[in-house]
Amino acid sequence: GESVGLHLPTLSVQEGDNSIINCAYSNSASDYFIWYKQESGKGPQFIIDIRSNMDKRQGQRVTVLLNKTVKHLSLQIAATQPGDSAVYFCAENSIQTGANNLFFGTGTRLTVIP
Amino acid sequence: SQTIHQWPATLVQPVGSPLSLECTVEGTSNPNLYWYRQAAGRGLQLLFYSIGIDQISSEVPQNLSASRPQDRQFILSSKKLLLSDSGFYLCAWRPGYGEQFFGPGTRLTVL
Repeated sequence: GESVGLHLPTLSVQEGDNSIINCAYSNSASDYFIWYKQESGKGPQFIIDIRSNMDKRQGQRVTVLLNKTVKHLSLQIAATQPGDSAVYFCAENSIQTGANNLFFGTGTRLTVIP
Repeated sequence: SQTIHQWPATLVQPVGSPLSLECTVEGTSNPNLYWYRQAAGRGLQLLFYSIGIDQISSEVPQNLSASRPQDRQFILSSKKLLLSDSGFYLCAWRPGYGEQFFGPGTRLTVL
């Protein structure tokens, strides 16, 4: 569900290192998950998604892992670059009242140190 | 291809003044439409969603309202703004399932 009242947790990594951003979701019936990247002053942008019938999906420099047993989602960014500095949100798809709605996590602020 | 527009990009309004933010989507039909608010350094709060013309669901009670007069137009309004209405307002659309696409946002400052 949403935790919009909380300040964002932060993660700082050295340029070139791998980053791992974690997310716990609440609804065991959620069937679809998305990671978004939001740069300052802009709308969130899609990074990668995964359906509940998968436990891993890879994109360009990014990997999403899904552990349905513990309701945990993670985003791995390989060889982190300064341009990766942003806030990252996970979202879970939950069907309610006739509309498919995405529910967003609190977000994590990633800072890449040159 | 589909695009989503929001305007204005920034807005400064006095307390008690009215508000109208507009969002339009191009290149798709019958999308689900959403309004979110984001306070500085915080997450996304879903305000309203719509699955069709004149079909609006409110997620959070507040002094804001939403309308969908056309299939691809979503409007966020207020009759009297409060200081607490300041924030970054994001419109989004979704084809019913799958990826959700966000607009560029409107930065609202209420003084």
